[in-house]
Amino acid sequence: GESVGLHLPTLSVQEGDNSIINCAYSNSASDYFIWYKQESGKGPQFIIDIRSNMDKRQGQRVTVLLNKTVKHLSLQIAATQPGDSAVYFCAEYLNTGKLIFGQGTTLQVKP
Amino acid sequence: DTEVTQTPKHLVMGMTNKKSLKCEQHMGHRAMYWYKQKAKKPPELMFVYSYEKLSINESVPSRFSPECPNSSLLNLHLHALQPEDSALYLCASSQARTSGDGYTFGSGTRLTVV
Repeated sequence: GESVGLHLPTLSVQEGDNSIINCAYSNSASDYFIWYKQESGKGPQFIIDIRSNMDKRQGQRVTVLLNKTVKHLSLQIAATQPGDSAVYFCAEYLNTGKLIFGQGTTLQVKP
Repeated sequence: DTEVTQTPKHLVMGMTNKKSLKCEQHMGHRAMYWYKQKAKKPPELMFVYSYEKLSINESVPSRFSPECPNSSLLNLHLHALQPEDSALYLCASSQARTSGDGYTFGSGTRLTVV
């Protein structure tokens, strides 16, 4: 079946440390993946995306890695800040228009 | 304008009421979506519109009725809802259904059914 999952429901890091959030997917047909950040009471906010012809993509303080061999995605956040505290979802895009979301990882940043 | 705007932000309705949720985007996106999100869960797709036509209905009960009056607007009409329909309803849009580029969400409408 289709599923996109995250390995850990909660991740707690110290302010200034790097954070790594992992995601495993099972649908081989998708060629587009998106990471979203969702703060309490708000909609999912686009962070970064990657297509399957790439292994790595970098943004401002964030990096997404894609390993198609083991169907694994990760989001790396450098120098984590209190404002990074939120729920992070990976999502797999199907060309029907449907996004399949993982279960989400709550990132807690300790001052 | 790079936003998806949803109104109202909060809605409380009785089980016999009829209400509508509204969504608007001015990014020129031709695909628009409705998602439902329960507390501490990921969003789940309800409907996909492509070029103002309904292309996917994820077996959503008929008490939810979507409408796309034009390329910038998407409505969700609600009638005879149940308390378990209480959730955050999210609208999203993307450049096209087949590419997913620019897949942007609104802030949602928090719906409570009493």
